[in-house]
Amino acid sequence: GIQVEQSPPDLILQEGANSTLRCNFSDSVNNLQWFHQNPWGQLINLFYIPSGTKQNGRLSATTVATERYSLLYISSSQTTDSGVYFCAVGNSGNTPLVFGKGTRLSVIA
Amino acid sequence: EAGVAQSPRYKIIEKRQSVAFWCNPISGHATLYWYQQILGQGPKLLIQFQNNGVVDDSQLPKDRFSAERLKGVDSTLKIQPAKLEDSAVYLCASSLTGLLNEQYFGPGTRLTVT
Repeated sequence: GIQVEQSPPDLILQEGANSTLRCNFSDSVNNLQWFHQNPWGQLINLFYIPSGTKQNGRLSATTVATERYSLLYISSSQTTDSGVYFCAVGNSGNTPLVFGKGTRLSVIA
Repeated sequence: EAGVAQSPRYKIIEKRQSVAFWCNPISGHATLYWYQQILGQGPKLLIQFQNNGVVDDSQLPKDRFSAERLKGVDSTLKIQPAKLEDSAVYLCASSLTGLLNEQYFGPGTRLTVT
């Protein structure tokens, strides 16, 4: 099945700093989602982005499907950005979403 | 628009006991998923429903886990009997239809088996 690798596994930032999280996948995809899992465990949708670029406030994401990777950019980080960021991919209508192991982000004041 | 609802939020049981979790998806979403998330890992799909039919249950431990979505809306996941390794967060998600649509997750049920 499709493999998903996220990097870095852990990241500590000073408030106000920018960061880039990466998701590599082993096969072509038709579905790619980025999630933020907050400290209470809730998975919050950030982007549905099987290809192209999207922006939402301080967050943006780019997926280069032909090169099998996606990037999540966080600018001017805030303490509320802390948590685990997951990338999940699917490559057909019949295979389940496969999640990476996540990037744990800690933003300190 | 209301999100995916789950209950209970927390449950502590002893091994060999049974437990049930409930999920109500976003209104109009035909596809419902149950995931298991073990501490430190990403969620793993247990079962997927399309309306009231099972699409994929290949990763559901059927000797102890069961799930139903009788009327094509809300769903129940049951574990009987529970083992220590079932301690995890059980997440329910829904999408309009199929795996190529964006999935939305509920708050999860944190299960501890002692």
